[in-house]
Amino acid sequence: DVVMTQSPLSLSVTLGQPASISCRSNQSLIHSYGGTYLNWIQQRPGQSPRRLIYQIFNRDSGVPDRFSGSGSGTDFTLKISRVEAEDVAVYYCMQATHWPLTFGQGTRVEIK
Amino acid sequence: EVQLLESGGGLVQPGGSMRLSCAASGFTFTDLPMSWVRQAPGKVPECVSTISRSGDKTDYIDSVKGRFTISRDNSKNTLSLQMNSLRAEDTAVYYCVKGGHLDNWGQGTLVTVSS
Repeated sequence: DVVMTQSPLSLSVTLGQPASISCRSNQSLIHSYGGTYLNWIQQRPGQSPRRLIYQIFNRDSGVPDRFSGSGSGTDFTLKISRVEAEDVAVYYCMQATHWPLTFGQGTRVEIK
Repeated sequence: EVQLLESGGGLVQPGGSMRLSCAASGFTFTDLPMSWVRQAPGKVPECVSTISRSGDKTDYIDSVKGRFTISRDNSKNTLSLQMNSLRAEDTAVYYCVKGGHLDNWGQGTLVTVSS
């Protein structure tokens, strides 16, 4: 199985300041079809998970543009340009290139 | 608006069976594969099973192979998960999820396996 490793595992951020989460896979996530199926998932307290970003950098509908994704191959990053109170959540990277789909350990973002 | 409404969760004894259902609406059901993802309390989500658009191809994680069966009824826009020989470690919230890349998630249904 593909192992997804996130860092840091927790992040305390001042409102309005940026935040960055790193994700690394132990295998290339480039699919034989050519796409790289690396997603970012947000789970707010007490809520269902929600996909924020797919295929590295594409934002899902309704996702604010302060969220951005980047990376390639095995190294990926989620950035929040200016953290807002509603961004308090656990963020998971996950890969959908190889079966089984696998998730990182999650990064908990809180407000300082 | 995409809606995924799970039902069928509850308390079951170890070794017992349970069937989860998901009613899907707001998108063309036959256009996409569907998945079941579970999340044990305080743990990372785990994609348990995926089914192709027509239902002819399924995948399972090793820990549920031979015990769980995913299926879909494209005439009724429903997704199902038949779970047999349930174990304590199957205790989790089970989410119905649109797409093979986990586009949209339902609210989840809690399955508790305990005596």
